Amino acid sequence: AQKVTQAQTEISVVEKEDVTLDCVYETRDTTYYLFWYKQPPSGELVFLIRRNSFDEQNEISGRYSWNFQKSTSSFNFTITASQVVDSAVYFCALSEGYTGNQFYFGTGTSLTVIP
Amino acid sequence: DTEVTQTPKHLVMGMTNKKSLKCEQHMGHRAMYWYKQKAKKPPELMFVYSYEKLSINESVPSRFSPECPNSSLLNLHLHALQPEDSALYLCASSQSGQGYGYTFGSGTRLTVV
Repeated sequence: AQKVTQAQTEISVVEKEDVTLDCVYETRDTTYYLFWYKQPPSGELVFLIRRNSFDEQNEISGRYSWNFQKSTSSFNFTITASQVVDSAVYFCALSEGYTGNQFYFGTGTSLTVIP
Repeated sequence: DTEVTQTPKHLVMGMTNKKSLKCEQHMGHRAMYWYKQKAKKPPELMFVYSYEKLSINESVPSRFSPECPNSSLLNLHLHALQPEDSALYLCASSQSGQGYGYTFGSGTRLTVV
């Protein structure tokens, strides 16, 4: 079974539109961590955010915001006023287990922002 | 220094060649990882080193041979690869323990001809 599901394979938006990337996860652990990474066309994986399972506060960082809801096992990511530089593949990931070496990526959402 | 450095950035090799990928970090992280990523797919875990010992090998073919000479360095030795091994190879490191997240290198784009 897929541990992390990103149902949106590809999204296109026009510049300045808001866009939300969905992430649904599955775990039996009570302690776990969720992450979002950005992978621009250049290939490197850029860390965006880490959230632990005990902290359901939403977070905002500039144009980025994250909505963590344990009740629906979701950790969605919203980009406000999108820009062309936001075009990338975005991966949601889950870390569970004592050592944290079990790290599961979602299949990624490819975002294209059209100027 | 908050980076993971990977060399080379690009590599083209023949199926009979032997080459090595290198990864270096100076953040004091004690866990290091190799991932393989094919186009439009998420990274797939290959190997995990924890405190310089191999702790996870995800059934990777023996033509890929990892090595961790010390806590800052991680190598991936390549021999007799196949064209389907062409991919982006990512190295990552983390503090050992849950939830610290990974710091990824920018990857080596490998093409096997």
